[in-house]
Amino acid sequence: DTAVSQTPKYLVTQMGNDKSIKCEQNLGHDTMYWYKQDSKKFLKIMFSYNNKELIINETVPNRFSPKSPDKAHLNLHINSLELGDSAVYFCASSPGTGGLFFGEGSRLTVL
Amino acid sequence: GESVGLHLPTLSVQEGDNSIINCAYSNSASDYFIWYKQESGKGPQFIIDIRSNMDKRQGQRVTVLLNKTVKHLSLQIAATQPGDSAVYFCAENIESSASKIIFGSGTRLSIRP
Repeated sequence: DTAVSQTPKYLVTQMGNDKSIKCEQNLGHDTMYWYKQDSKKFLKIMFSYNNKELIINETVPNRFSPKSPDKAHLNLHINSLELGDSAVYFCASSPGTGGLFFGEGSRLTVL
Repeated sequence: GESVGLHLPTLSVQEGDNSIINCAYSNSASDYFIWYKQESGKGPQFIIDIRSNMDKRQGQRVTVLLNKTVKHLSLQIAATQPGDSAVYFCAENIESSASKIIFGSGTRLSIRP
């Protein structure tokens, strides 16, 4: 059983399009995150939700909108995609005290 | 500022030798530190963690050392194996109330046979 699963794994799209990435965790954790990893492998925190409430929003453009329908799901919707949005997006969950459990990543390529 | 820094992008080690990966952090209020391993095409995996009230913690073949005086963290891997090849990240929890975990820039560990 995959603990943190995200779909799709790969996404190729044109500039200006809107796309979503979905994430689900079956660990029973209260906290979920989105991180962006650029081509130099730098991992940057974007958002964090605790039990469906937004608790961290790191100066991410408004084109990025996370949504948490319940504490096991955290989706990421991106409007008007730009070239600079190309990256690997990682979902993660945490029990609150302790480290993060990551999904396998969703590689977004904007053409 | 908020930063966890790794200055060396690549470390090459002979198989069987010990590896030491270093990390400098800047937030003296951070109370929790973690090392992650990321293999190609996968998400980061938890290796070992340490809280700020400790200076050393050991796992299986791995040891983390924390020096709060100079804000330095290190990961030691004993008897490095080919399967240890990966990018290693240190991370720190800079806001314990929000579990805000930020990452350093990563070190690629490559193993020479």
